[in-house]
Amino acid sequence: SSDLTQPPSVSVSPGQTARITCSGDALPKQYSYWYRQKAGQAPVLIIYQDTERSSGIPERFSASTSGTTGTLTISEVQPEDEADYYCQSADTTGTYVVFGGGTKLTVL
Amino acid sequence: QVRLQESGPGLVQPSETLSLACSVSVASFSDYYWNWVRQPPGKGLEYIGFVYYNGDTNYNPSLKSRVTISVDTSRNQFSLKLTSVTAADTAVYYCAASSSATRFDYWGQGALVNVSS
Repeated sequence: SSDLTQPPSVSVSPGQTARITCSGDALPKQYSYWYRQKAGQAPVLIIYQDTERSSGIPERFSASTSGTTGTLTISEVQPEDEADYYCQSADTTGTYVVFGGGTKLTVL
Repeated sequence: QVRLQESGPGLVQPSETLSLACSVSVASFSDYYWNWVRQPPGKGLEYIGFVYYNGDTNYNPSLKSRVTISVDTSRNQFSLKLTSVTAADTAVYYCAASSSATRFDYWGQGALVNVSS
């Protein structure tokens, strides 16, 4: 299977920790990536190769993968973290890119 | 650093061909894979495909029969053609650069294409 499943929405208060999950059969075999997309803007790569932060991304952003589930964790959430977050990987053969449906993070 | 800029018509008639170009500013064009990703209004991201500098391509199986992505290394540009479009193809089309075949390091600002008569 090549599908990636994310919760449609996650809500947290400022200063709390947000966790966004991404489930897919290919995740044990393929790297996962995370993108942040703010309203009206292009996506930005924030996590690559399961756990690595892109340049300029604060340490508050971290990610992990266990079995078929990847998790993006945002510590000490700030109002500017409000955005849509997408996970991305490949199918089990590594041939085709697949995106999760996206999770809207709301900072209350 | 890589900079990308999409260009092309913002309105396409149903059943016709959508054509977009992506102009790239990069030190070494051959260091990256060149991708198209689209996003229907209010919806998620959908991978369309990539072209490598040597012309090798990879397409989303769900779009493969209608998609052609080509490259012009002399102009540091690559292009997307999507045939037989319908309203379901209305989306923001992004071009993106990948340092590996399965990740997107740099993105253009996106180009909205409406399919409508």
